[in-house]
Amino acid sequence: EAGVAQSPRYKIIEKRQSVAFWCNPISGHATLYWYQQILGQGPKLLIQFQNNGVVDDSQLPKDRFSAERLKGVDSTLKIQPAKLEDSAVYLCASSQLTGTYNEQFFGPGTRLTVL
Amino acid sequence: GENVEQHPSTLSVQEGDSAVIKCTYSDSASNYFPWYKQELGKGPQLIIDIRSNVGEKKDQRIAVTLNKTAKHFSLHITETQPEDSAVYFCAATRQAAGNKLTFGGGTRVLVKP
Repeated sequence: EAGVAQSPRYKIIEKRQSVAFWCNPISGHATLYWYQQILGQGPKLLIQFQNNGVVDDSQLPKDRFSAERLKGVDSTLKIQPAKLEDSAVYLCASSQLTGTYNEQFFGPGTRLTVL
Repeated sequence: GENVEQHPSTLSVQEGDSAVIKCTYSDSASNYFPWYKQELGKGPQLIIDIRSNVGEKKDQRIAVTLNKTAKHFSLHITETQPEDSAVYFCAATRQAAGNKLTFGGGTRVLVKP
């Protein structure tokens, strides 16, 4: 079974530029999560999708971050414009269901450096 | 919301010794506590979990204990091996939160051969 795929693996941009990350979850997983992991910290949930609908985006900085999950499969996370404090690893995870304790499977992440 | 504290932030042990990582949580309604292992350049991977109706769970060399009254839970790794070197994260959630996980700050474990 293929795992969660993410691209690119690394990205370096200058502040005020835009960047987009892509995630392909495990086939059949209805729930998709985007996490931000700042160096030395645990992952922090940015947004959670159930199929193509948003379940929780309470910690997403909506003035600069946006995410979509068209057709309930792949997802993109965009930052526009980027700030220095956005430097982090962006992790995508997927699971089969919400409301139960199904395991979240994580992708390898995209390491973003904002100069 | 939930807050999870994790200690220590770094842990160095000799190969064959035991390692213990401790976490506390704030939301008494939390009822599911997974532990993740993250190796360099990879995403976190679930290694063991425990639910609030259980006090202890073991899987080979790893075990987790939960004290609901004190709101803390611990990861125990016995007979540590070099491949156990990684960053470990605890997390907590309650079913009403729709599977949203709150993570601790992580523990970097180094097993010295």
